[in-house]
Amino acid sequence: NAGVTQTPKFRVLKTGQSMTLLCAQDMNHEYMYWYRQDPGMGLRLIHYSVGEGTTAKGEVPDGYNVSRLKKQNFLLGLESAAPSQTSVYFCASRAWTGASYEQYFGPGTRLTVT
Amino acid sequence: AQKITQTQPGMFVQEKEAVTLDCTYDTSDQSYGLFWYKQPSSGEMIFLIYQGSYDEQNATEGRYSLNFQKARKSANLVISASQLGDSAMYFCAMREGYGGATNKLIFGTGTLLAVQP
Repeated sequence: NAGVTQTPKFRVLKTGQSMTLLCAQDMNHEYMYWYRQDPGMGLRLIHYSVGEGTTAKGEVPDGYNVSRLKKQNFLLGLESAAPSQTSVYFCASRAWTGASYEQYFGPGTRLTVT
Repeated sequence: AQKITQTQPGMFVQEKEAVTLDCTYDTSDQSYGLFWYKQPSSGEMIFLIYQGSYDEQNATEGRYSLNFQKARKSANLVISASQLGDSAMYFCAMREGYGGATNKLIFGTGTLLAVQP
């Protein structure tokens, strides 16, 4: 049981390039989330998914697209990267703990756009 | 709009002493959940403790306890007997609704705790 994993861990992009971040979970969780973390701003929700084949916008969705073709994978895409997308990206999935729904986080992906 | 406020950008505490990290929230929902996460320098987000809005008793998890004052809309984290390994960034978060379909979390800006020997 690897929990929530993210690929890659680090990436440097040039403005205008595209890339896909992969999030995978082996816990059979229905709900998955993508957040970005910027200095002094905490985590902000980009997109989320309540199940295979479904996605929805979060707080800061512009410039990103997502797909959930398989239950265990949640992909975050940047079609044309901008310096404003330099951030640390966290994926999370949701589980019931017996007292609450808890979000389990991946280790993060540090993205720099130059 | 729902909001989480952490007013302490940084805190120092001596090893073995207790420390309180402040968190206030704003919501019009009657049902909500409050969470604390720890983020060490390695970057991962570690779940610490949860408090539901209808829970009458303060949540506790080992050395962590949550001082929940509903009327004041505060959910402070208390760490007892601080250890050097407690040095990290701590985030307070609130979930909209009660086990709602989306379970979106709203995060505060964090408090950086440094434990001194």
